[in-house]
Amino acid sequence: KAGVTQTPRYLIKTRGQQVTLSCSPISGHRSVSWYQQTPGQGLQFLFEYFSETQRNKGNFPGRFSGRQFSNSRSEMNVSTLELGDSALYLCASSFGGSTLETQYFGPGTRLLVL
Amino acid sequence: DAKTTQPPSMDCAEGRAANLPCNHSTISGNEYVYWYRQIHSQGPQYIIHGLKNNETNEMASLIITEDRKSSTLILPHATLRDTAVYYCIVSRPNAGNMLTFGGGTRLMVKP
Repeated sequence: KAGVTQTPRYLIKTRGQQVTLSCSPISGHRSVSWYQQTPGQGLQFLFEYFSETQRNKGNFPGRFSGRQFSNSRSEMNVSTLELGDSALYLCASSFGGSTLETQYFGPGTRLLVL
Repeated sequence: DAKTTQPPSMDCAEGRAANLPCNHSTISGNEYVYWYRQIHSQGPQYIIHGLKNNETNEMASLIITEDRKSSTLILPHATLRDTAVYYCIVSRPNAGNMLTFGGGTRLMVKP
């Protein structure tokens, strides 16, 4: 069974630009969660999508958004990039029950904002 | 959310058991304890989880105290590849799939 895949793996952008990251969950998984990891703040939850609907949202500004498609693939978008958005962005998938389940993480997308 | 407290770092000799403690004194009766680990710059990896009883799988054992206020993850025979940051997480019931990571414990396995 293929694991969670994320594309691209590395990305360099400049301030003010926008970026879209993609995540393909494990086959059969309907929940996709996104996390941001920085040296200063650690791993922080961004949002979770289940059945094309945002089910949970972390404490991030509106510049961070996401969506999920009918095949459960998910994208997240960051608009008007800031230097502080440089981070490892991780997505995780699970079957999608209402209580916390084992989540399987992808390798992440490393974003550098210059 | 129940908060967790872990030592920031620990060392362990290769081949010996690694015992990683976690304090979660405010845990609620229906909250699970989950353990994940993250090897440098990779995505976190699920290890084990439990509610009340001790649990064991091919990777590790989880010992939860009777009052559920603390737990210990045990790697029975640590190898160099077990060097990672280990996160103890307490679930929020009916909150979907949102993991709240703390600082974790950086385990260094030394030859």
